[in-house]
Amino acid sequence: KNQVEQSPQSLIILEGKNCTLQCNYTVSPFSNLRWYKQDTGRGPVSLTIMTFSENTKSNGRYTATLDADTKQSSLHITASQLSDSASYICVVSGPNDYKLSFGAGTTVTVRA
Amino acid sequence: DAGVIQSPRHEVTEMGQEVTLRCKPISGHDYLFWYRQTMMRGLELLIYFNNNVPIDDSGMPEDRFSAKMPNASFSTLKIQPSEPRDSAVYFCASSPPRQGGRETQYFGPGTRLLVL
Repeated sequence: KNQVEQSPQSLIILEGKNCTLQCNYTVSPFSNLRWYKQDTGRGPVSLTIMTFSENTKSNGRYTATLDADTKQSSLHITASQLSDSASYICVVSGPNDYKLSFGAGTTVTVRA
Repeated sequence: DAGVIQSPRHEVTEMGQEVTLRCKPISGHDYLFWYRQTMMRGLELLIYFNNNVPIDDSGMPEDRFSAKMPNASFSTLKIQPSEPRDSAVYFCASSPPRQGGRETQYFGPGTRLLVL
């Protein structure tokens, strides 16, 4: 069973609107959580990294939150742009920081 | 820096043939990772190296897969013999020296492999 579950699987939003992606994980013990953005045909690119002691981390219009007690994270995209169309992958690491558990990703499509 | 470099970008081969994927990590990075991505299974870690030494190869599917890192600037992933179920996108990633768990893995553009 995958230890990282993401929702929704996909979503479509209009340009300029906000959206929030969810990530629930069962990896324990937990070391850090990352959000990656993967454009079609490209490799994933890191957006944020949060350790268990951090609650929020921003990168431009992207804001990630983390609740280590409930094992939930969210990625909020503000004022979406066409270039935000991509797959967003939640990645969690346990005590071995280099063995990552990947979610299946949420595919975001931004339409004009 | 040019980032992680992978070659070839696309590979089409016939079942039973040997396939070799190549990766050049970012200079100064001492960790190197090989991943496989499919629609069904998403991203999976196959193997990773630290200072050219394989640390964890538990993700390698079977003996048909092998990986080497002869020096700090080059790694290969070989599949011999290849099978149609090996069709996937293979990513190489590298990471700088340990920074207390906050290291970012930088991914290459991937090699799209199709085994007929």
